[in-house]
Amino acid sequence: GENVEQHPSTLSVQEGDSAVIKCTYSDSASNYFPWYKQELGKRPQLIIDIRSNVGEKKDQRIAVTLNKTAKHFSLHITETQPEDSAVYFCAASTGGTASKLTFGTGTRLQVTL
Amino acid sequence: DGGITQSPKYLFRKEGQNVTLSCEQNLNHDAMYWYRQDPGQGLRLIYYSQIVNDFQKGDIAEGYSVSREKKESFPLTVTSAQKNPTAFYLCASSVQRAAYEQYFGPGTRLTVT
Repeated sequence: GENVEQHPSTLSVQEGDSAVIKCTYSDSASNYFPWYKQELGKRPQLIIDIRSNVGEKKDQRIAVTLNKTAKHFSLHITETQPEDSAVYFCAASTGGTASKLTFGTGTRLQVTL
Repeated sequence: DGGITQSPKYLFRKEGQNVTLSCEQNLNHDAMYWYRQDPGQGLRLIYYSQIVNDFQKGDIAEGYSVSREKKESFPLTVTSAQKNPTAFYLCASSVQRAAYEQYFGPGTRLTVT
């Protein structure tokens, strides 16, 4: 089955700096890669996703890049703000009926003033 | 918020008792999912269902059971056979019968003593 590895497990940046979180996946058939943000005690929220026919996707300060050949994808957050502090999860799926998401183990991002 | 509800928010049970967690959605989504979240381990899939009266085992189904009698509802029963039931349980749904754009409920924190 699919295996998703996520690094780093913790990341501390100063406000205004950029943060990068990286994930690798094992199943070359995976074609959907979402990122979730989870604040303490809250539900995970989908913040951005990318499909395998696209190499990069941006939404304001957030971007995701995908390298299908290397089987890795990354989340980039620019101009970080204290409210970006949370745990971020990557995931991968092959899509299609009866498919499922496989999640990484999460990255705790701390944005310091 | 809204759309996917889970109840109760906190649940306490004695060891050896079965307990059922509720998950309801009014989004008219076809697919529903149950995840377990433990500290440092990300989200692990317990069961999922694409259509009414059909469901599949996820990665950690042992000790759990589900039913999908209505499109809106996907209750999870944690049985006494589950060795370590204390965890944060999250329900999710997606509009398609595929693992795209999953949206999560607020979660139920189960404590078994």
